[in-house]
Order: sequence, then structure tokens, then C-alpha cells
Amino acid sequence: QLQLQESGPGLVMPSETLSLTCTVSGGSVSRNSYYWGWIRQPPGKGLDWIGSVYYGGATFYNPSLKSRVTISMDTSKNQFSLRLTSVIAADTAVYYCARQNRAAAGKFNWFDPWGQGTLVTVSS
Amino acid sequence: QSALTQPASMSGSPGQSITISCTGSSSDVGDYNYVSWYQQHPGKAPKLMIYDVSDRPSGVSDRFSGSKSGNTASLTISGLQAEDDADYYCSSFTASSTVLFGGGTKLTVL
Repeated sequence: QLQLQESGPGLVMPSETLSLTCTVSGGSVSRNSYYWGWIRQPPGKGLDWIGSVYYGGATFYNPSLKSRVTISMDTSKNQFSLRLTSVIAADTAVYYCARQNRAAAGKFNWFDPWGQGTLVTVSS
Repeated sequence: QSALTQPASMSGSPGQSITISCTGSSSDVGDYNYVSWYQQHPGKAPKLMIYDVSDRPSGVSDRFSGSKSGNTASLTISGLQAEDDADYYCSSFTASSTVLFGGGTKLTVL
């Protein structure tokens, strides 16, 4: 059974870089049927897609975050990672990683399964 | 990009049916059959309930069904049960190769 687990610091200082890793077990991130995505949820608010990565290297980002976000993959460790630079208080959220179905080249749809999520607080 | 539009809250009694709407545009919901629905209980990760507009993953109750007309997708829950009390989110692929979520609907089972 595929499982995803987020890891990284729970507290990040304003203006610094948020870095999270998603470790995948029970399956390979190199399968060509899937993208791998990051989604966040500010406290008490809704879901917000951050971006997705394909093992071939293709990445897709939320336009509102694109200038600050990098998503990468390490197939040797079966992991993918998120970097968000110049963080502000509004970046405080629960961050989820999830497997995303590849519907066609450059097209992706549903997320399943999801990691349990990790709360990242931006504060000094 | 603007979030897909969902009602903020809905309620129903056990045994009733409710339908949650999700309105987008001709660049997302209206253009692709890549609409999915997620259920989220407090403190938990979202769970996929419907994908590709109307398909149900293995293990999801057949009380959950999805449909789409034009730029609006819908999730119907029949025979409401106490365990259905949760937040529900729709999602769609867009023509810009991005993903949009709806703002979420808080469903209360009375």
C-alpha cells in the first residue's frame, strides 16, 4: 500500500526558506503513471495547490507562488521535495504531499493518497 | 487564478440527500472531465471520493456520486449518515496546466 510522509522544520523565520521532503513507501516515484504534488491548507481555510513534479523532470506550479517555489525529485531516495523562498506569515499552513494521477502528457487530475500533513509556522 | 465556487455550508438530516455544487469556467470544469471531490474530517488529510467527474475509487460508498453540466460539477450524497459530517472540496485541472480547488463546503448532518 502506497504511503507518503512529509518531513521538515515546523517553524521557519520570516524571509527564510521553507524546505519539506515527502518520502514515498510502497511504490516508486519513477512510475510514469503519476505526478507528485504539494498542497497546503492555512489554518481554518481551504486547500491550495502549490505544484506538481513528474519523474521525467517536468514541473508545474501555482502562478501565485511560481516565483518562490521549486519542486524536485530524488528517485534514488524515492522522495520529492518542496522549497519555498522568502516566506511570510501567510505561508503558515499544513503542507500535504500527494500522488497525482497522470491523465495524459501535461495533464493531471486526482490526488490519492495523501500524506498526513505537516504544520509549518512562519514566525520570528 | 480564482478558486472554484462552492457553497460555504450546507446541512441535512440523516437519510436525506444533498447536492454540493462546484462552479468554474470554460477553462477548467467546463473544458475537462478532470473534476475530483475530496472529503476532509477535522485534523485529517483529505480523502478522494470522486474522480474524473463521476468515478468512485474502490472502497468509497456508492451513496456518493458525481456529475457535471457545463461549467458546474456536483457531488451528491444520498442517505446522509452522521459520518458524512465533514468538509468537501472539488478540484479541476485547468487549461493553464494548473490545479484549482474549490473554497470548500462544510456539511453538517443534523
